[in-house]
Amino acid sequence: NAGVTQTPKFQVLKTGQSMTLQCAQDMNHEYMSWYRQDPGMGLRLIHYSVGAGITDQGEVPNGYNVSRSTTEDFPLRLLSAAPSQTSVYFCASSYSVLAGYTGELFFGEGSRLTVL
Amino acid sequence: AQTVTQSQPEMSVQEAETVTLSCTYDTSESNYYLFWYKQPPSRQMILVIRQEAYKQQNATENRFSVNFQKAAKSFSLKISDSQLGDTAMYFCAYNNNDMRFGAGTRLTVKP
Repeated sequence: NAGVTQTPKFQVLKTGQSMTLQCAQDMNHEYMSWYRQDPGMGLRLIHYSVGAGITDQGEVPNGYNVSRSTTEDFPLRLLSAAPSQTSVYFCASSYSVLAGYTGELFFGEGSRLTVL
Repeated sequence: AQTVTQSQPEMSVQEAETVTLSCTYDTSESNYYLFWYKQPPSRQMILVIRQEAYKQQNATENRFSVNFQKAAKSFSLKISDSQLGDTAMYFCAYNNNDMRFGAGTRLTVKP
């Protein structure tokens, strides 16, 4: 059982480059989300999705795009990378309210992104 | 917006002793979930314990227990018989529709 899988685990970008962080889960979770983790700031919510075709903004959405074409996948796109986007990114998922919701998030292993 | 505050950036404890990590939160909701997650150096986020706001009884998981004070909006984590493997960052989190985290407390267990 793979759970939540993120790729790549490490990436170095130059300012202005674009890239996509991939996230896939095999638990049939309706809810998926992206967080960034910065020292002294905990995890901050970037975007989230409550189901295929539905996405919404979190606390820090600027500079990031998401889409949810399937239940399994929730990619995060950096359109034009900036040094301020250097961070560790986590994808997480959970059951929906109608399917055994407990509030718990299941996390991927994180992706460390450095923007030069 | 809901906020979660962890006022202790760093703490340390001797092996086998007890330590309490503090967390407060701000919300106008009556039903929600509270969590403590552990993040060891491996970076993996590991669920330690969960509390549902409508349950008055404090949650316990082996050596981990919480003191949930709903009126005070307080949710502290007590670790008993601390072990070296408990060394990690600990995050308090609040969930009502989407999960928000505190800044974390770095706990070091000393031999």
